[in-house]
Amino acid sequence: DIVMTQSPDSLAVSLGERATINCKSSQSVLYAFNNKNYLSWFQQRPGQPPKLLIYWASTRESGVPDRFSGSGSGTDFTLTISSLQAEDVAVYYCQQYYNTPRTFGQGTKVEIK
Amino acid sequence: QVQLVQSGAEVKKPGASVEVSCKASGFTFTDYYIHWVRQAPGQGLEWMGWVNPNSGGTNYAQRFQGRVTMTRDTSINTAYLELSRLRSDDTAVYYCAREDTDMVTFPKTAPNDYWGQGTLVTVSS
Repeated sequence: DIVMTQSPDSLAVSLGERATINCKSSQSVLYAFNNKNYLSWFQQRPGQPPKLLIYWASTRESGVPDRFSGSGSGTDFTLTISSLQAEDVAVYYCQQYYNTPRTFGQGTKVEIK
Repeated sequence: QVQLVQSGAEVKKPGASVEVSCKASGFTFTDYYIHWVRQAPGQGLEWMGWVNPNSGGTNYAQRFQGRVTMTRDTSINTAYLELSRLRSDDTAVYYCAREDTDMVTFPKTAPNDYWGQGTLVTVSS
């Protein structure tokens, strides 16, 4: 199984400041056929299901604010919230969908400082 | 609009079985795999497997093999998760989520773009 490891486990950021979350996979999730990384980012607010933010490591899902961006390739990935808003308080998960079982990082809790 | 609507909360005794349903609307049911993911209280997300509504084919996570059954009824656009021999550590919220099977747009696999609202299953004696 591909192991996904996120860092940090939690972070507190002031409103309007940048938040950065890292995700590392135990093996590459880059598919050579199309040069795409099979890595998603989800946001989960309390009591809600996960919401897809980013797929293919850097493609923003329709309707997701452009303050959310994803980067990275191979085994190392980053989710950046460029200017934290109050509604961004949530737990964020990375997930690889390169193969099964699909595996998630342990989650990163983002709070307001 | 795309919706995945799940059945209501369940309380079961250890050793029993539970079935959770996921009714799809707003899209062509047979064009998407339905995945099941669970989340124990205060914990992270755990993938359980998927069912192909078109063929009925399945792919289960190894740790659930022998205890899990995923099925579908295409006449009512509904997918089902059955988990048997329940234990207390099966207490969790169970989510369904879809995956696009369009191999032109999404070679190999696709992300889980829409999720159900979740179903709490409590296992307690």
